[in-house]
Amino acid sequence: NAGVTQTPKFRVLKTGQSMTLLCAQDMNHEYMYWYRQDPGMGLRLIHYSVGEGTTAKGEVPDGYNVSRLKKQNFLLGLESAAPSQTSVYFCASSYLTGEQFFGPGTRLTVL
Amino acid sequence: EDQVTQSPEALRLQEGESSSLNCSYTVSGLRGLFWYRQDPGKGPEFLFTLYSAGEEKEKERLKATLTKKESFLHITAPKPEDSATYLCAVQAGAGNQFYFGTGTSLTVIP
Repeated sequence: NAGVTQTPKFRVLKTGQSMTLLCAQDMNHEYMYWYRQDPGMGLRLIHYSVGEGTTAKGEVPDGYNVSRLKKQNFLLGLESAAPSQTSVYFCASSYLTGEQFFGPGTRLTVL
Repeated sequence: EDQVTQSPEALRLQEGESSSLNCSYTVSGLRGLFWYRQDPGKGPEFLFTLYSAGEEKEKERLKATLTKKESFLHITAPKPEDSATYLCAVQAGAGNQFYFGTGTSLTVIP
């Protein structure tokens, strides 16, 4: 089992460009999450999904969109990247309750 | 407002010097408290889940405990390979959301 995988691992964007981050899990988890991690801020929830076809806003959703067309995949989109979105992005998945399993992260720099 | 606070922010220990990390929380409807370990450049790795006050979990040199307002991660006779950032998270509320603390960066010196 691969667990939770994320692509790409690194990306550099210019202000205004768009991109999509892909998260995939092979554990048949219902719940999936996107976080960003910034120094001194901890992990902050961007969006999450409680099942295929559903999405919900987290703590810091502005500037991001998500889709969950398949149970195993959760996509995070940036329509018009800003320097404030420079961060490390982590995807996670879980059952209804219980521990989350995290991916290795995507390091994004917006110039 | 739901909040999770970890202390200290950073901790340096000599190898073999035991200590404790603290996680205090103010949330309504606690469903679980989680401890994670995060190594530089990697995603958080699950360590423990605690569900009710008085519960304890152990794994090698680590022991996690839970009260109604806080949790402790006790590290007994740490080794250099225990160096990492330790994150605390709580799952709470109607939406079962997770709230993370900012972590404690632990360095164990040989």
